Amino acid sequence: GAGVSQSPSNKVTEKGKDVELRCDPISGHTALYWYRQSLGQGLEFLIYFQGNSAPDKSGLPSDRFSAERTGGSVSTLTIQRTQQEDSAVYLCASSSDRGVNQPQHFGDGTRLSIL
Amino acid sequence: GENVEQHPSTLSVQEGDSAVIKCTYSDSASNYFPWYKQELGKRPQLIIDIRSNVGEKKDQRIAVTLNKTAKHFSLHITETQPEDSAVYFCAAGTGFQKLVFGTGTRLLVSP
Repeated sequence: GAGVSQSPSNKVTEKGKDVELRCDPISGHTALYWYRQSLGQGLEFLIYFQGNSAPDKSGLPSDRFSAERTGGSVSTLTIQRTQQEDSAVYLCASSSDRGVNQPQHFGDGTRLSIL
Repeated sequence: GENVEQHPSTLSVQEGDSAVIKCTYSDSASNYFPWYKQELGKRPQLIIDIRSNVGEKKDQRIAVTLNKTAKHFSLHITETQPEDSAVYFCAAGTGFQKLVFGTGTRLLVSP
């Protein structure tokens, strides 16, 4: 089946604007994760969804960041009043809940550039 | 919370040599340890993972070892090929929760 799909693939916007990033997980995967990867860096956890609820929001860097998931499928990450330090690749991953420790499969990411 | 350290940050080997990347973790509750390969501009791809109830796992030229007592795990690539060149990330996690990633190792395999 199809993998994790993210859109847009690239987003360039001006400082202060709001942006929405979309993630469509693998069909049937109930767990969904957002990570951020700055240039040449590792992956930084942002938020995790199990179904529509978010048991772990501990990685969201500020109250400008929010995420939602509806229908247990598509998730949207919103960044309000973007700052230049928000520039990064935003990666989404999903995993099955058929047993613990199921592999997380990543999408291609959204490359966000704040001018 | 969990903290994962990864070494070395860069590794250069000749084609055919072996490569070893090491990671340590801090949270004894972590029980899942995947390794991802990321080529330039591409998504991280899972290459192998290990759970805490085993000490070693192999898949062709790739193997991972886990020492729970010492809280470290390692990736071993044998008979390296130029197409193995990429950035490799280790990670540690628990159950359905987030993964905490290492800072990555840039592997360069020269022909």
